This record gives sequence, structure tokens and C-alpha cells, in this order.
Amino acid sequence: NAGVMQNPRHLVRRRGQEARLRCSPMKGHSHVYWYRQLPEEGLKFMVYLQKENIIDESGMPKERFSAEFPKEGPSILRIQQVVRGDSAAYFCASSPSGTEETQYFGPGTRLLVL
Amino acid sequence: QQQVKQSPQSLIVQKGGISIINCAYENTAFDYFPWYQQFPGKGPALLIAIRPDVSEKKEGRFTISFNKSAKQFSLHIMDSQPGDSATYFCAGLSSGSARQLTFGSGTQLTVLP
Repeated sequence: NAGVMQNPRHLVRRRGQEARLRCSPMKGHSHVYWYRQLPEEGLKFMVYLQKENIIDESGMPKERFSAEFPKEGPSILRIQQVVRGDSAAYFCASSPSGTEETQYFGPGTRLLVL
Repeated sequence: QQQVKQSPQSLIVQKGGISIINCAYENTAFDYFPWYQQFPGKGPALLIAIRPDVSEKKEGRFTISFNKSAKQFSLHIMDSQPGDSATYFCAGLSSGSARQLTFGSGTQLTVLP
């Protein structure tokens, strides 16, 4: 049973470009969570999605950031017009349901904005 | 109200020693407290977790002690090994529909051979 998959593992963008981060949850999991980890810091919640629904986006910056989890395909975290402060590791986690406490994390995408 | 405070920031222990990491929380809506282990370049992996109705949970060399009245919990790693060298994060999970994990700032553990 494959774990949570994220790609790309590393992404380099110049200021003003767009970054698209993809997350495929574990098989049978329909709940996805995105977290951001700044250097030397803990993970910070960004958004919680179910298939085709955003459940909680209280941790998402109001501008430039968006997330989706379509009926088919991976969850996408999209960052428009990236700035240097967006440089971080972005982790996706999944769980089989909203009542299941355990969240299983992917290996992360390291975004570097030049 | 959402913070989880973790200490120490870094910890160096001799092989065979006991590693102790402490966390304190403010949000009484947390109903699940996991510990995650993270190696460099990897994602966090669940190590052990506890619910607030239990005061202690042990799995192998890893033990969580939980003090609900003080809103504190700690991770004890017995017989620490060099392979345990990693960053450890405590977290609290909100009850209800907003199932977001609130993480502590992490403890970088180094176990000397």
C-alpha cells in the first residue's frame, strides 16, 4: 500500500511565477491536509479538503494561495506570483475519514523561490 | 489558544540514556495528542499518540505521559539510540469538523554513540 505521494519533491521558481504542488493521498483516503514548514519551525496547518470540498482553509493566506481536491486526480496546492517568503517545505497528509485521528504525511515538496 | 509550546529546542543524550521532551497546550478542544518523528529531508512519521482520558501510554521504548489538569504532556525515549537522532514534534488535534493538527516547534534530538 503506497504511502502519501507528493511531487515534485523539489521546486525552484523565480519571483512572480506560479508554483503547483501535487499530493496523492494513500489509497482509500479521501481527506487531505496541507501544512507548511518554514526553516527551523514546526508545521503550520493551511487547508483541509475532502473530495471536491474545502472543509477548513483557516490557515491559508488570503491572497495568491488556493487548493483543490478534484473528484479524480491529486490534490493541488497552487501558489500564484510566488515571493521569497513562500520558500518552505509543503507537506500533504491524508486520512481515511474526518473522524480518524491519524494523519499520514508525504515526503513534502521543498519550494525555493529565487 | 491554538499554541503548543515544546521544549527543549535541542537535546543531546548519550546512547542508552533517557530522552525527555515536554509540551504544553492551551486549547482545551484538543482531543488527540500525537508525537511525530522527522528525519532530514523526510516527512513527519507518527511515533506514538495519546488521548486525554489516559495518563500514560507506552510503546516499546517510547512513553507518553499526559497531565490533563496541567495541560502538559511529554515523550520519554528509554535506552536512546543513535538511530533515534531526529526532530520530534508534539501536536494537538482539534475536535469537531476542523481536524487540523497544531504542532509544537520541534526538538532536535542527537544521541551520541
